[in-house]
Amino acid sequence: EAGVTQSPTHLIKTRGQQATLRCSPISGHTSVYWYQQALGLGLQFLLWYDEGEERNRGNFPPRFSGRQFPNYSSELNVNALELEDSALYLCASSLERAGGYGYTFGSGTRLTVV
Amino acid sequence: AQTVTQSQPEMSVQEAETVTLSCTYDTSESDYYLFWYKQPPSRQMILVIRQEAYKQQNATENRFSVNFQKAAKSFSLKISDSQLGDAAMYFCAYRSYGGSQGNLIFGKGTKLSVKP
Repeated sequence: EAGVTQSPTHLIKTRGQQATLRCSPISGHTSVYWYQQALGLGLQFLLWYDEGEERNRGNFPPRFSGRQFPNYSSELNVNALELEDSALYLCASSLERAGGYGYTFGSGTRLTVV
Repeated sequence: AQTVTQSQPEMSVQEAETVTLSCTYDTSESDYYLFWYKQPPSRQMILVIRQEAYKQQNATENRFSVNFQKAAKSFSLKISDSQLGDAAMYFCAYRSYGGSQGNLIFGKGTKLSVKP
């Protein structure tokens, strides 16, 4: 069974540009979560999608947005990139919303803003 | 809002010895889940162990076990017979039982080094 896949692995963008990150969940998983892992800050929750809808959002500005497609894959868009957006972005998927089974994570996209 | 605190930014253990990583959390909820995740240099988060708050029995997974103290809101991870492959960042995480907040809330992590 394929795990959670994220693309691209690395992404270099210029300040002010837009970045698009993609995530494919494990087959059968309907929930996708996005986290930002900046150096020294641990994992900060960004967005949660389930069944195509945004269910919850972390404390991030509106220029962080995303969507979930009918096949449950997801993309994260970051507009008007700032230097402090440089971080590892992790995607996770889970089997059910309230199951508490924890998540399966991808290996992340390293975004560097220059 | 729930918070998770890991008070040890870095820990070190000798190979084959035992080490305990600390985690405390704050919540007003009675039902929830707690997790320990491992993040090696490969960056992928790996689930180490999971505990349901309504279960009094401490979870164990091979060399990994937890000491769950619900009243004290403490959830420490014990790694026995430490191996070189255990070197990684370890994150404690909290998840509400209800469906309205499905995301995990993470502590800032503890970097574990294993000395040969």
